[in-house]
Amino acid sequence: DADVTQTPRNRITKTGKRIMLECSQTKGHDRMYWYRQDPGLGLRLIYYSFDVKDINKGEISDGYSVSRQAQAKFSLSLESAIPNQTALYFCATSDLEFGGSDTQYFGPGTRLTVL
Amino acid sequence: DAKTTQPPSMDCAEGRAANLPCNHSTISGNEYVYWYRQIHSQGPQYIIHGLKNNETNEMASLIITEDRKSSTLILPHATLRDTAVYYCIEGAGKSTFGDGTTLTVKP
Repeated sequence: DADVTQTPRNRITKTGKRIMLECSQTKGHDRMYWYRQDPGLGLRLIYYSFDVKDINKGEISDGYSVSRQAQAKFSLSLESAIPNQTALYFCATSDLEFGGSDTQYFGPGTRLTVL
Repeated sequence: DAKTTQPPSMDCAEGRAANLPCNHSTISGNEYVYWYRQIHSQGPQYIIHGLKNNETNEMASLIITEDRKSSTLILPHATLRDTAVYYCIEGAGKSTFGDGTTLTVKP
């Protein structure tokens, strides 16, 4: 089984709808992240959480919210979806390692289309 | 936010070494350099990371300059399956990925 899972894998929705993307991990990591990727571009950080009680905005948090329900679960919500939020969304996890490194492990992604 | 600079694209012949450069001039003293790759639209895959010393694992080698302002990822014997976008990241966690280098390995 995959260590980092994302649901749904594909979603088509309409402008104005509320959408939730879910991420679960079995790696036991404290840190979790949500990224967005537009076609041909790199990943941009939306939100990150270093533990259950810690939530931080990333580079592009406007229009998004998150919930860290447990160590293993981190959900991303689009309160009122708009077409320019059409993108590929990735969840990642990591843990602070001995020596201070922090390697991220990514889920398979959710392809979201907003019509 | 921390930023890195990578060439947008590179080609490499199959079986030859692929050397991918990265500039990370804003890296701070205790930040690691990480390399990931993304094949098609799959989730990025970790390759290697380093702080000061050169590193090698089963996938690649990482050469970091003495001033730590740049590094080179080396795939010693590139295969067609190494065709991907390669990302260099300074620091971790709060770092946004740049646009990376698209490596195309040709027969």
